[in-house]
Amino acid sequence: NAGVTQTPKFRVLKTGQSMTLLCAQDMNHEYMYWYRQDPGMGLRLIHYSVGEGTTAKGEVPDGYNVSRLKKQNFLLGLESAAPSQTSVYFCASTNGGHSNTEAFFGQGTRLTVV
Amino acid sequence: DAKTTQPPSMDCAEGRAANLPCNHSTISGNEYVYWYRQIHSQGPQYIIHGLKNNETNEMASLIITEDRKSSTLILPHATLRDTAVYYCIVRAYSGNTPLVFGKGTRLSVIA
Repeated sequence: NAGVTQTPKFRVLKTGQSMTLLCAQDMNHEYMYWYRQDPGMGLRLIHYSVGEGTTAKGEVPDGYNVSRLKKQNFLLGLESAAPSQTSVYFCASTNGGHSNTEAFFGQGTRLTVV
Repeated sequence: DAKTTQPPSMDCAEGRAANLPCNHSTISGNEYVYWYRQIHSQGPQYIIHGLKNNETNEMASLIITEDRKSSTLILPHATLRDTAVYYCIVRAYSGNTPLVFGKGTRLSVIA
């Protein structure tokens, strides 16, 4: 099993450009999350999903959109990138119900907006 | 979710036990204590979790005080590979409740 895979691993965008970050998990997990991490800071929740076709806002949702059309994929979109969105983005997934003891994280996407 | 308080940094000698404290004085009865760590900007890694009993697994031990207002993560024989940021998170045992991270404790294991 690959676990949680994020694509791409690195990206440089110009201000105003758009892009989509892909998160894929092969563990049949119900719940998926997108976080961002700025230097010296903990992870902050952007959006999350508790099942296929559902999404919800986290702490810092502005400037981002998400979609969960398939259970295994969770997409994070930036419609018009800004320098303030320069960060490392992490995706995570957990199982639902009573067995959601452990969240599995991807290795991150380093995004720079110039 | 209840807020947690952790020291920003700690040092530990290699081979000694690392004891990482966490205060969670406003924890509710249905909230668990989770510990994750993040090694050198990799994705966070689950370590252990507990409700009120002490817990142990192959990585660490978790000691929760009787009033549940604080806990300690113990790495029994720290190695250089344990150098990381350790996050203490309090979370209701429900799949609809996402993990909320604070700034954690940066543990440096010194040879």
